[in-house]
Amino acid sequence: SAVISQKPSRDICQRGTSLTIQCQVDSQVTMMFWYRQQPGQSLTLIATANQGSEATYESGFVIDKFPISRPNLTFSTLTVSNMSPEDSSIYLCSVELPFGAQYFGPGTRLLVL
Amino acid sequence: QQQVKQSPQSLIVQKGGISIINCAYENTAFDYFPWYQQFPGKGPALLIAIRPDVSEKKEGRFTISFNKSAKQFSLHIMDSQPGDSATYFCAASISQGGKLIFGQGTELSVKP
Repeated sequence: SAVISQKPSRDICQRGTSLTIQCQVDSQVTMMFWYRQQPGQSLTLIATANQGSEATYESGFVIDKFPISRPNLTFSTLTVSNMSPEDSSIYLCSVELPFGAQYFGPGTRLLVL
Repeated sequence: QQQVKQSPQSLIVQKGGISIINCAYENTAFDYFPWYQQFPGKGPALLIAIRPDVSEKKEGRFTISFNKSAKQFSLHIMDSQPGDSATYFCAASISQGGKLIFGQGTELSVKP
């Protein structure tokens, strides 16, 4: 398995501001992902964080709203830009290990007022 | 075709009973089927996973049954305990590339 940490664990933000979420993993991994989990809902993939190149976004998610950085094989950030109350969610990073097993971080709980 | 449909949405089981959660998929390219357990305030934890070359996988009290022809798979929790009360998600992916498609989740409550 992998040990994954996220910062911050939770935050309350004002409408129109931006928040950057950090994800750190204890070993080098090729694949890192960012998911969103809206209250009481399932998980939806936002993007794949690619090391050394631009992230790959899923339908409905755009780089201007959710810019992602992946400077190395153990770290990634997701920024939620120009936030609105609809962005209130849990944001989760995950990593894929060999043979396809994917492990999740503890999540960042975001409330936008 | 990318959807994974999960049922039931919620489940109440008595302590010691068997909990059964079902999932169905359409995309025959999926070749990796994990189950995740999520407690309130926590991230999803990988519970057990199966690939389509086997029909069943057991780890302790947790068993995945896989029916390739029906494109269905299920999680069985034997001797369910109150500590198993959580939300369970099935998922599917094409293993090279790893994008997980999640089911809608099942909230399991095990009554003492």
